[in-house]
Amino acid sequence: EVQLVQSGAEVKKPGESLKISCKGSGYRFASSWIGWVRQMPGKGLEWMGIIYPDDSDTRYSPSFQGQVTISADTSVTTAYLQWSSLKASDSAMYYCARRGDYGFYFDHWGQGTVVTVSS
Amino acid sequence: SYELTQPPSVSVSPGQTASITCSGDKLGDKYASWFQQKPGQSPVLVVYLDTKRPSGIPERFSGSKSGNTATLTIGGTQATDEADYYCQAWDSSFWVFGGGTKLTVL
Repeated sequence: EVQLVQSGAEVKKPGESLKISCKGSGYRFASSWIGWVRQMPGKGLEWMGIIYPDDSDTRYSPSFQGQVTISADTSVTTAYLQWSSLKASDSAMYYCARRGDYGFYFDHWGQGTVVTVSS
Repeated sequence: SYELTQPPSVSVSPGQTASITCSGDKLGDKYASWFQQKPGQSPVLVVYLDTKRPSGIPERFSGSKSGNTATLTIGGTQATDEADYYCQAWDSSFWVFGGGTKLTVL
């Protein structure tokens, strides 16, 4: 069974750094793209970027390029999303999701990580 | 940047058919997917590659496409189908979601 398990909720101050994680299991982690999706409170889904763990090929949405860094470690079957300097506007729910085997869609999703940035 | 347009809300009576549309430039040349999201839960894939239904998704969920408009149809809508629905497509290395449609079953 494919599973994506994300790290727990985070409360941070503006300017702090943060790295959240998404651990994949039940499939060959290295050979499936993993994407990250933001959902701000009461709003829709926004694609942030995606990584191919085997070679770390990464694509970013223009809206998030330079704002976050996506990485992956195949030795622990985990993908990461990180910020170097958080802003209050980064407060949101963040989901990781696996690209499906037959095209450009997400077939499995993590449970989400809530990030709250407040002074 | 590429955009997908959905109606903000759709209402349907129990047992009736609900249709949610998603339109985008040259969407006819791309594949559309659909996700259901209930309050407090992660999105769930209900249709992919325009018309395919993942295992475990009830047969009352179906997808279609005509021209540059994709449609998610829910036949015999149940109260449990009340949720937000998002379409999604891929365009030139970028993944795009529609703005979402709130389906109300009343």
